[in-house]
Amino acid sequence: GDSVTQMEGPVTLSEEAFLTINCTYTATGYPSLFWYVQYPGEGLQLLLKATKADDKGSNKGFEATYRKETTSFHLEKGSVQVSDSAVYFCALIYGGATNKLIFGTGTLLAVQP
Amino acid sequence: NAGVTQTPKFRVLKTGQSMTLLCAQDMNHEYMYWYRQDPGMGLRLIHYSVGEGTTAKGEVPDGYNVSRLKKQNFLLGLESAAPSQTSVYFCASRGLAGVRTDTQYFGPGTRLTVL
Repeated sequence: GDSVTQMEGPVTLSEEAFLTINCTYTATGYPSLFWYVQYPGEGLQLLLKATKADDKGSNKGFEATYRKETTSFHLEKGSVQVSDSAVYFCALIYGGATNKLIFGTGTLLAVQP
Repeated sequence: NAGVTQTPKFRVLKTGQSMTLLCAQDMNHEYMYWYRQDPGMGLRLIHYSVGEGTTAKGEVPDGYNVSRLKKQNFLLGLESAAPSQTSVYFCASRGLAGVRTDTQYFGPGTRLTVL
């Protein structure tokens, strides 16, 4: 079935380091792809999204490109801050009758000053 | 504009007790969802609703019931709680734009412990 695989965490970085969180997906069609972020004690909020191949989603310095050939949607940021410490979830969804976001297991990012 | 709110924030139940979790949204959204979040498993969909008076099963519906009597509210019920239902529950909603593009807005979560 359809699934999303994320790199295991936690990821621990120093402030201003480069961040990559890997995400790959398995799907029978062409889903939309999302990154959600969950700050401590809060619900999830959308970080960025891409709805078709080669689309790049970006927000708050984070970027991810929808790569159909490698079925990937890796999250990157050039210079992380302490305030970026959170859990990051990769997810996919189809259109039509299917109405379900399929989430990866989440990756905890801890940024140290 | 409060967005999506959930009550209660925390609850401890004994096995066999019942309870209802309330989700409310003030964005006039048609679609509402209940997820559970468990360590190492991401979020899994329990039930969802595509409009007032409608509900549908998600990925893990067993042991839960839902109702959507008013557009702004989506209730999740546990009739006889079990320790396996210990989890963090999130409600979400979205509008009528295409499911491929629209954002789901999440509430802050309810942490439930079943002893």
